[in-house]
Amino acid sequence: GIQVEQSPPDLILQEGANSTLRCNFSDSVNNLQWFHQNPWGQLINLFYIPSGTKQNGRLSATTVATERYSLLYISSSQTTDSGVYFCAVEPGDSNYQLIWGAGTKLIIKP
Amino acid sequence: IAGITQAPTSQILAAGRRMTLRCTQDMRHNAMYWYRQDLGLGLRLIHYSNTAGTTGKGEVPDGYSVSRANTDDFPLTLASAVPSQTSVYFCASSQDNGETQYFGPGTRLLVL
Repeated sequence: GIQVEQSPPDLILQEGANSTLRCNFSDSVNNLQWFHQNPWGQLINLFYIPSGTKQNGRLSATTVATERYSLLYISSSQTTDSGVYFCAVEPGDSNYQLIWGAGTKLIIKP
Repeated sequence: IAGITQAPTSQILAAGRRMTLRCTQDMRHNAMYWYRQDLGLGLRLIHYSNTAGTTGKGEVPDGYSVSRANTDDFPLTLASAVPSQTSVYFCASSQDNGETQYFGPGTRLLVL
């Protein structure tokens, strides 16, 4: 089956720094979603981005489907950005099932 | 407030017992999903439902069953719990298949 790899696994930054999180996938996908899980466990959808670039405030995401990767950019980090960021993909033959990466754990220090 | 509710919030269960985790959404979404999240890992799909009256198996369906009698409710049943089913269980929904998924707060289950 498809493999979804996220990097780095852990990231510690000072407040105000910028960061780039990467998601690589091993086969073609129908769609890709980025999620944030806060320290209390709540999962929030950030982007639905099968291809192209989207921006939402300080966050933006780019998916290059032909090269099988997606990037999540966080600018001017705030402590509330801490948590785990997951990438999830729907393989081309999946019947809409999402396959999740293991996540990037981000800690923003004040 | 529109969203997804799950019950219970947490549960300690003796091995061999039967348990039903409840999930209700009020967004009139057609598709619903059950995931489990184990420590340090991403989510894995247990079962899903594309629309009321239909269900399908995900990556890790063994030991679990679901039903979808109506649009709003999607209960997950563990017929005879085992310790390896200790996990955090998330219910999610989307307007239709393959669209943005929205998650409930989760149920923490410990099977002893």
